[in-house]
Amino acid sequence: QLQLQESGPGLVKPSETLSLTCTVSGGSISSSSYYWGWIRQPPGKGLEWIGSIYYSGSTYYNPSLKSRVTISVDTSKNQFSLKLSSVTAADTAVYYCAGLLGGHLDYWGQGTLVTVSS
Amino acid sequence: DIVMTQTPLSSPVTLGQPASISCRSSQSLVHSDGNTYLSWLQQRPGQPPRLLIYKISNRFSGVPDRFSGSGAGTDFTLKISRVEAEDVGVYYCMQATQFPFTFGPGTKVDIK
Repeated sequence: QLQLQESGPGLVKPSETLSLTCTVSGGSISSSSYYWGWIRQPPGKGLEWIGSIYYSGSTYYNPSLKSRVTISVDTSKNQFSLKLSSVTAADTAVYYCAGLLGGHLDYWGQGTLVTVSS
Repeated sequence: DIVMTQTPLSSPVTLGQPASISCRSSQSLVHSDGNTYLSWLQQRPGQPPRLLIYKISNRFSGVPDRFSGSGAGTDFTLKISRVEAEDVGVYYCMQATQFPFTFGPGTKVDIK
């Protein structure tokens, strides 16, 4: 069974870049079956799809964030990463990584809270 | 973007009684490949979301059979046949037919 774990700074200053990594264990990130995604949830609010990546490197980003988002994959480390630039307080959220198979999010990380504040 | 709506937004239920949540999409979720990529997620307090149901009615591994999904096109339903204490949480529908994937606002289920 796949396990995913987010890591990265819990505090980011306004206008800086948020960087998170998701480490996948229990299976290969290069599995041809899975896409890998990032989802976020502002405190007390609902879920927002950020984007996804295939092990080959092909990506899809939510148009609402596209100008600020980069998702990349490192197959040698079995990891994929999220970068979100020019952050504001509105980007404060719990960030989840997840594995997407056949259009459904099978596996989720525990999530990591990122606060944007000076 | 496809807009997902859910009703009710809050559902107090009695233990052992059934519960039902509706989800409606702003356009058909039938993909060109013939599948309908509508799933249901459960988020218990303080926990990440967990997949319950995928492609309308398929229970994910380990999900109790008191959870069932139904529907077609733009209208979908999640039913819990007999609510247990561990079912307390927020339930989301999600569509993955069209990018960007979108979620419903969530339905909070708690015990009366």
